[in-house]
Amino acid sequence: EPEVTQTPSHQVTQMGQEVILRCVPISNHLYFYWYRQILGQKVEFLVSFYNNEISEKSEIFDDQFSVERPDGSNFTLKIRSTKLEDSAMYFCASSEEGGRDYEQYFGPGTRLTVT
Amino acid sequence: QQPVQSPQAVILREGEDAVINCSSSKALYSVHWYRQKHGEAPVFLMILLKGGEQKGHEKISASFNEKKQQSSLYLTASQLSYSGTYFCGSRGDDYKLSFGAGTTVTVRA
Repeated sequence: EPEVTQTPSHQVTQMGQEVILRCVPISNHLYFYWYRQILGQKVEFLVSFYNNEISEKSEIFDDQFSVERPDGSNFTLKIRSTKLEDSAMYFCASSEEGGRDYEQYFGPGTRLTVT
Repeated sequence: QQPVQSPQAVILREGEDAVINCSSSKALYSVHWYRQKHGEAPVFLMILLKGGEQKGHEKISASFNEKKQQSSLYLTASQLSYSGTYFCGSRGDDYKLSFGAGTTVTVRA
């Protein structure tokens, strides 16, 4: 069964450093998402992406965050200057369509630890 | 605005039933239910749409009251594999899926 993959599974970085989290969505899916989950808390929406553009973003997704689809398969989340509070599990998700009745398939996540 | 879930946690014995509620202050187009096991990604369970259509993959049922902007997830004859944290996600007139705080379900033998 096709699945969303993410790399790395765990990333440790120092405060102020840039990190890039990588995702490979399911191949025939057109809509891509990033979510964040701070340990023990709920899953929070960051951004949705379609047709090489951001379609929606949350208040969390400020200027230090950016997303890109550099080629036909990868979808990346860049955090320019990491802060301690960026430590969280980051999930990538994809859906076949962007309509409100399409399920999103989540990847296994990247645990980001900022020290 | 995120939906509100209740209860926060529930403990069941195998075979018992439980109901998890999800309510929103904004008009909903659809409600999505996911289950997350510890250390794993959320897994899609079901979508409930305005108008009554349901899309799901498991033997877990749910309801959606559009007027009250509420959804309920029914865990019937619970199994050990039902343990996990259940999140409801609400979608209004946008792409954003806003999740509730989650309900932790523990099923014991």
